Amino acid sequence: GNSVTQMEGPVTLSEEAFLTINCTYTATGYPSLFWYVQYPGEGLQLLLKATKADDKGSNKGFEATYRKETTSFHLEKGSVQVSDSAVYFCALSDLGGSYIPTFGRGTSLIVHP
Amino acid sequence: EAGVTQFPSHSVIEKGQTVTLRCDPISGHDNLYWYRRVMGKEIKFLLHFVKESKQDESGMPNNRFLAERTGGTYSTLKVQPAELEDSGVYFCASSQVFGDAKLFFGSGTQLSVL
Repeated sequence: GNSVTQMEGPVTLSEEAFLTINCTYTATGYPSLFWYVQYPGEGLQLLLKATKADDKGSNKGFEATYRKETTSFHLEKGSVQVSDSAVYFCALSDLGGSYIPTFGRGTSLIVHP
Repeated sequence: EAGVTQFPSHSVIEKGQTVTLRCDPISGHDNLYWYRRVMGKEIKFLLHFVKESKQDESGMPNNRFLAERTGGTYSTLKVQPAELEDSGVYFCASSQVFGDAKLFFGSGTQLSVL
């Protein structure tokens, strides 16, 4: 079956530090990959996506590249801000299967001033 | 445009009691999903409605959970009787088109079973 594995958190950084949150996946078909973000007190919202190998999704300074050879979709940001503090969820949707997104466990990011 | 709303935001009940969670999807979204996150683990799929029909309920843990979506608008998820392991955050999400993995989520209901 499909699954998503994320690095355990929390990840604690100082403002302007470089961020990487690792995500690897297992899928039987040809998945699309996503990062969702949950800010405190809010629902999850789509941050970025990539639909095929070597695609790069980007939004709000965050980037992730779909690496089929390593089955990975790591989230990166060059300079984090306090307002980036949130929980980040990696997810996949198997377009050859059920379509319904499969999520990882989430990684909490805490950014200090 | 109103987002996905869930009620209540928190619920604390005793083992054996009944709890009903409600989700109002975005207007016009035929697809409605329930997910659950238990103690910082993965967000697990519970079930999927298309309008009022259950399209996929493969993630429902057992028959203590009952989901309905009468009239294809809002949905309820009832847990009866609640057990300790049912504690977690219950998320509802909606989408306009099935196969579009961009889901719009509510802020969740934190359920604590004591």
